[in-house]
Amino acid sequence: GAVVSQHPSRVICKSGTSVKIECRSLDFQATTMFWYRQFPKQSLMLMATSNEGSKATYEQGVEKDKFLINHASLTLSTLTVTSAHPEDSSFYICSAESPDYNEQFFGPGTRLTVL
Amino acid sequence: KQEVTQIPAALSVPEGENLVLNCSFTDSAIYNLQWFRQDPGKGLTSLLLIQSSQREQTSGRLNASLDKSSGRSTLYIAASQPGDSATYLCAVTSPVFGNEKLTFGTGTRLTIIP
Repeated sequence: GAVVSQHPSRVICKSGTSVKIECRSLDFQATTMFWYRQFPKQSLMLMATSNEGSKATYEQGVEKDKFLINHASLTLSTLTVTSAHPEDSSFYICSAESPDYNEQFFGPGTRLTVL
Repeated sequence: KQEVTQIPAALSVPEGENLVLNCSFTDSAIYNLQWFRQDPGKGLTSLLLIQSSQREQTSGRLNASLDKSSGRSTLYIAASQPGDSATYLCAVTSPVFGNEKLTFGTGTRLTIIP
């Protein structure tokens, strides 16, 4: 149990385009989902926290208009990188939390490369 | 602000040796501490989770300890194997403005030499 998937696993796009990344909890309902970003050889940095049915809470320094987060259901959250630029190239990882488990379960990550 | 530090940043040991990875955190008001494993280009695999009321957790060759008052945790790996080579991350869950926030350490890149 407690499996989290991400799609796509890898995406390459041109500068200026938008990219959507999906995060799904496959076998449990996630009241809260988190989005992290990881640059090469660095640790994970929390970008935002999203609760189902409400607006996401963004960490300081993260542009909410650039990184759009939608948590429309208890099993799906999406992160859209709008007008992507090469500096947005990174590894994006989501996690999902269930009140039943009291811990976060992580997806396999999405490698974004912006040309 | 919670800060999590891991020492060393990189470690290489011969196969079969026992080893210890260290993690320290600045704010002792935590809910729990987790150790994760990350293989290159992959997501996170949870290894052990220690609740704030616990002192240690064990899983197979892994043993994690927690000293909340001093802000320290160690991950002990017994009889290391080449398959243990990966980056190990520790993370603490802290209360932030009524929510729970996971703060990650900088990671230790472990290489087991066959």
